[in-house]
Amino acid sequence: DTGVSQNPRHKITKRGQNVTFRCDPISEHNRLYWYRQTLGQGPEFLTYFQNEAQLEKSRLLSDRFSAERPKGSFSTLEIQRTEQGDSAMYLCASSRIAGNSGANVLTFGAGSRLTVL
Amino acid sequence: SQKIEQNSEALNIQEGKTATLTCNYTNYSPAYLQWYRQDPGRGPVFLLLIRENEKEKRKERLKVTFDTTLKQSLFHITASQPADSATYLCGSSGTGGYQKVTFGTGTKLQVIP
Repeated sequence: DTGVSQNPRHKITKRGQNVTFRCDPISEHNRLYWYRQTLGQGPEFLTYFQNEAQLEKSRLLSDRFSAERPKGSFSTLEIQRTEQGDSAMYLCASSRIAGNSGANVLTFGAGSRLTVL
Repeated sequence: SQKIEQNSEALNIQEGKTATLTCNYTNYSPAYLQWYRQDPGRGPVFLLLIRENEKEKRKERLKVTFDTTLKQSLFHITASQPADSATYLCGSSGTGGYQKVTFGTGTKLQVIP
């Protein structure tokens, strides 16, 4: 178990460019989440996949954002026509049900930090 | 609307003392409250969770409580150490489905030697 892997760790881009982030979850986890976190705030939910199906998208996920999880393995988050307000840490998490509790426990990656100039 | 709130002000505490962090929720009843630790530039790491029908959970120096009357969870770190300095996030989740975790803003803890 190598944990949740995210690439790239840092991305600096100019406004208007497209960027793509990749997430490789823990292999046994069938649930995958994307969150966005800005300085001084907690992670904000963006979208969720169960296997390859995208089951929920937050209203934070504008038309410029698209996420995929082909074959239920890795996932990509693409931001088109980036804006300065997109600057944030993009966190990916995969999850398991915790023991007998039935609760969904998230394992996060280290995040991909986006800076839009 | 549903809210989960943490004291956004930093908490400074002397080494060896007990740190107590607060998480309040309004307008909903989460089935679970979860606590995560986040270090600068890193993703959050799960620490402990408690169910709504549990009053208290412990793990080593950590203790979490869940008071459904006050709509509040308290997170305690006993015998705090400088290595405990980090931001602590409270998250809520429900039952059924995929149980999305909704997070508060986090509280930054600084343990002073």
